[in-house]
Amino acid sequence: KAGVTQTPRYLIKTRGQQVTLSCSPISGHRSVSWYQQTPGQGLQFLFEYFSETQRNKGNFPGRFSGRQFSNSRSEMNVSTLELGDSALYLCASSLGTSSNQPQHFGDGTRLSIL
Amino acid sequence: GENVEQHPSTLSVQEGDSAVIKCTYSDSASNYFPWYKQELGKGPQLIIDIRSNVGEKKDQRIAVTLNKTAKHFSLHITETQPEDSAVYFCAASIPNAGNMLTFGGGTRLMVKP
Repeated sequence: KAGVTQTPRYLIKTRGQQVTLSCSPISGHRSVSWYQQTPGQGLQFLFEYFSETQRNKGNFPGRFSGRQFSNSRSEMNVSTLELGDSALYLCASSLGTSSNQPQHFGDGTRLSIL
Repeated sequence: GENVEQHPSTLSVQEGDSAVIKCTYSDSASNYFPWYKQELGKGPQLIIDIRSNVGEKKDQRIAVTLNKTAKHFSLHITETQPEDSAVYFCAASIPNAGNMLTFGGGTRLMVKP
């Protein structure tokens, strides 16, 4: 069974641009969550999608948004990029949306802002 | 909201020794506690998890213990091997928050051959 797939693996952008990252969950998984990982703040929850609906949102500005498609694939978008958005963006998938479901992560997209 | 603290931040052991990583959480409603291993250039890999109705769980050389009263849980790795070297994260989730995980700050484990 294929794992969680994230594309692209690396991205370089400049301040003010926008970016879209993609995540394909494990087959059969319907919940997709996004996390930001930085050396200073660690792993922080961005948002969770289930059945094309955002179920939970972390404490990030409105520049960070996402969506989920009917095949459970998800995208996240960051607009008006800032230097501080440089991070590893991780996607995790699980079967459902209850709090005790095992989540499996992809290898992330490393975003660098120049 | 939930807060998870993890200690130590770095841990160095000799091959064959045991390693213990400890985490505390703040929300007594937390009911699920996974542990992840992250190697360089990879995403976190789920290695073991425990639910709040269980006190201990083992999987070969890895075990996790949970003390709900004290609100702490620990990862135990026995007979460590060089390939155990990685960063380990604990996490906690609470009911009614979906799949949102709150992570500890991570422990860099180095196993010396």
